Amino acid sequence: LAKTTQPISMDSYEGQEVNITCSHNNIATNDYITWYQQFPSQGPRFIIQGYKTKVTNEVASLFIPADRKSSTLSLPRVSLSDTAVYYCLVGLLNTGGFKTIFGAGTRLFVKA
Amino acid sequence: NAGVMQNPRHLVRRRGQEARLRCSPMKGHSHVYWYRQLPEEGLKFMVYLQKENIIDESGMPKERFSAEFPKEGPSILRIQQVVRGDSAAYFCASSKQRETYEQYFGPGTRLTVT
Repeated sequence: LAKTTQPISMDSYEGQEVNITCSHNNIATNDYITWYQQFPSQGPRFIIQGYKTKVTNEVASLFIPADRKSSTLSLPRVSLSDTAVYYCLVGLLNTGGFKTIFGAGTRLFVKA
Repeated sequence: NAGVMQNPRHLVRRRGQEARLRCSPMKGHSHVYWYRQLPEEGLKFMVYLQKENIIDESGMPKERFSAEFPKEGPSILRIQQVVRGDSAAYFCASSKQRETYEQYFGPGTRLTVT
């Protein structure tokens, strides 16, 4: 799996848009980009996954530039309940490497 | 549709005892993954199982740790002769398909070794 680099922490205020960028310079051609969210004392929750350009669901958007060496998770109008750790994962979707590798993630603090 | 269930949620063991952690995947999911998370750290992959088969155990310590996913019943992660360093949160996840990173996680079992 490609190594990923994320900011250790970020602060925001309620109602703001938050963008968390993940660098994955060694991403391979067949690799997908996946983001998880983890609240304290809970297991991670799948947020979004993409391969290129833009993906949007009811929770977030994922922006992936043409070179795919980075990706940005965008959370619109965050609330206090969005305070969590966000993990970026990069890896091949259909491979024997099913051992999802989580890094340290980005701790997002949303303030009132 | 119930999510991934893990029990117990909290487990306290003395050094040298055995710990058994159970995981029931989501209905219709036949792929199970175990992860360990130390305080303030990310999750570390331990093992990936399908029914009656261990597919990838490259993250499992060579000694004292074992996992199974029998044809019937939950997946079990067993830690023999626990030591203080085994204290951590152990998460189980399941997926419907083999080729996916969309895994559904349980609430975890917090193991404390005294």
